[in-house]
Amino acid sequence: KQEVTQIPAALSVPEGENLVLNCSFTDSAIYNLQWFRQDPGKGLTSLLLIQSSQREQTSGRLNASLDKSSGRSTLYIAASQPGDSATYLCAASHTGTASKLTFGTGTRLQVTL
Amino acid sequence: NAGVTQTPKFQVLKTGQSMTLQCAQDMNHNSMYWYRQDPGMGLRLIYYSASEGTTDKGEVPNGYNVSRLNKREFSLRLESAAPSQTSVYFCASGDNSWYQETQYFGPGTRLLVL
Repeated sequence: KQEVTQIPAALSVPEGENLVLNCSFTDSAIYNLQWFRQDPGKGLTSLLLIQSSQREQTSGRLNASLDKSSGRSTLYIAASQPGDSATYLCAASHTGTASKLTFGTGTRLQVTL
Repeated sequence: NAGVTQTPKFQVLKTGQSMTLQCAQDMNHNSMYWYRQDPGMGLRLIYYSASEGTTDKGEVPNGYNVSRLNKREFSLRLESAAPSQTSVYFCASGDNSWYQETQYFGPGTRLLVL
């Protein structure tokens, strides 16, 4: 059974700092790895999707990498802003069940002024 | 374009009562999903529908039933609510691109079972 872990559970950084969020998964037979953002009391918003054949994806100040052999993905946020404060979740999609996601418990990020 | 909508936003039930959570999407997506989110446990898949007319169990289906009414709508029913079903329920739809499907989430329904 796939298990997805995100460490740390919470992170506080000053505005402008570059930061990395970590995601690890136990089963490397994945179709893709996705990163989502969740604001308090809201639903999830997809940020980036990395297919299993890819190493990284970029969108604006966000860069996500994938290393299947080590079972790890990272989300890099450049020049953090207070508006980046949210919970970030990663989810693994499994080979053979392409649409079924296994989620981590998330990292709650606070960017302070 | 409303995306994924869910009703109700909040609900309080007594143990044993039944209710149906409604979900609709206007993006012409084939696949739809129901998740529950509990503190410290992340989101867990309850049921999903890969296309109109099909439904399948996810990780935690016990105590729930679903109906894919048409391509737009996917409802989740609690026949006899239990306190363990207190949670936030999210509906999502997917663009069904197989290995690169992006899922779009609704705002959630917060359910309290007393």
